Amino acid sequence: EAEVAQSPRYKITEKSQAVAFWCDPISGHATLYWYRQILGQGPELLVQFQDESVVDDSQLPKDRFSAERLKGVDSTLKIQPAELGDSAMYLCASSPRPQGSTGELFFGEGSRLTVL
Amino acid sequence: ILNVEQSPQSLHVQEGDSTNFTCSFPSSNFYALHWYRWETAKSPEALFVMTLNGDEKKKGRISATLNTKEGYSYLYIKGSQPEDSATYLCAFREQAAGNKLTFGGGTRVLVKP
Repeated sequence: EAEVAQSPRYKITEKSQAVAFWCDPISGHATLYWYRQILGQGPELLVQFQDESVVDDSQLPKDRFSAERLKGVDSTLKIQPAELGDSAMYLCASSPRPQGSTGELFFGEGSRLTVL
Repeated sequence: ILNVEQSPQSLHVQEGDSTNFTCSFPSSNFYALHWYRWETAKSPEALFVMTLNGDEKKKGRISATLNTKEGYSYLYIKGSQPEDSATYLCAFREQAAGNKLTFGGGTRVLVKP
């Protein structure tokens, strides 16, 4: 069964350091999402790509976060510099093109970030 | 900012007992309501995508209902088993929002043997 791949699974870093997360969506899925889930809260959308284009990054803290999906396949989410409040689970998800789709998201297992 | 609320935040259930919990969402501009199950150390997995008022969906011992006019959905687990222990997330999809989902905070279910 096709899966969304994410790495690393766990990352511990000190504040002010740079961190990067990688996601490889299910093959053929045009839409890719990065969500952040802070303990005790629901996942919050950070950025949504349609192919290689950003369609929503309204909740992405652009002073320190960046995301790219250069060839419309895999994606990288970067944080620089990391702050204590960035400690969270970073979830990547993908979905097929909207037309004819239920809108169901397919998630990876997430990358757990701890900032010390 | 869309308000999607889940209650309770957590609950403990004795094995064999049935339980249910709630997701409330905006009653305007409704497009779809999703339920996901998220087991520890695994990826969130879709349970249901519900689109019509009055919808009832079932997967094994888990079922869900939808009331779009009043803005709530119930998830039911019948005869809870330890493998049902997970966080259950609901997510609201608004009309004209593409595939963007707004998630509730989740209900964490622990089934005790």
